[in-house]
Amino acid sequence: DTAVSQTPKYLVTQMGNDKSIKCEQNLGHDTMYWYKQDSKKFLKIMFSYNNKELIINETVPNRFSPKSPDKAHLNLHINSLELGDSAVYFCASSQGGRLFFGPGTRLTVL
Amino acid sequence: DQQVKQNSPSLSVQEGRISILNCDYTNSMFDYFLWYKKYPAEGPTFLISISSIKDKNEDGRFTVFLNKSAKHLSLHIVPSQPGDSAVYFCAARLGDMRFGAGTRLTVKP
Repeated sequence: DTAVSQTPKYLVTQMGNDKSIKCEQNLGHDTMYWYKQDSKKFLKIMFSYNNKELIINETVPNRFSPKSPDKAHLNLHINSLELGDSAVYFCASSQGGRLFFGPGTRLTVL
Repeated sequence: DQQVKQNSPSLSVQEGRISILNCDYTNSMFDYFLWYKKYPAEGPTFLISISSIKDKNEDGRFTVFLNKSAKHLSLHIVPSQPGDSAVYFCAARLGDMRFGAGTRLTVKP
């Protein structure tokens, strides 16, 4: 009965490919996010969606595009993958000032 | 520009003793501070929080202290248990949430 789920958990792919990571939350929260944990372990916000509207975009390359088919889903699509995109990507949702994270997707670009 | 810093990448304590995790921030406009705990291969989970209008919040074995003049936050765990071994992230909110790099706590039996 997972609150925030993401698939896949691991993703290994070649440079130049296009890939997607899916996220779903069953908490009924209005806002969802994508965070990236880089090699230095910092968690940095990439996007947030509130009622299907993008409200934050933190200087993320336009190769990254969030897609939200409904309030419970926020998928992350990445075009033309680069080596530097290798990281752990966390989906999250929020209510009352607290974030609820998914288990993460470890992306490795070869 | 890291506005939230955790300068100790790791901390090791003996079971039963106190664990103190520290966090410094640079933006005095942050209005809410949180600690998250992360186990391997899992996402961070909320642990405890404090509003900027308070200086202490306690929840069982966990206490968070806020020193606004020093722009410093700390998490005290007492007594520490082996199950507390995890990475602890400090976070501060100003609109969106800013995270530190985490401190890996190891509690030895």
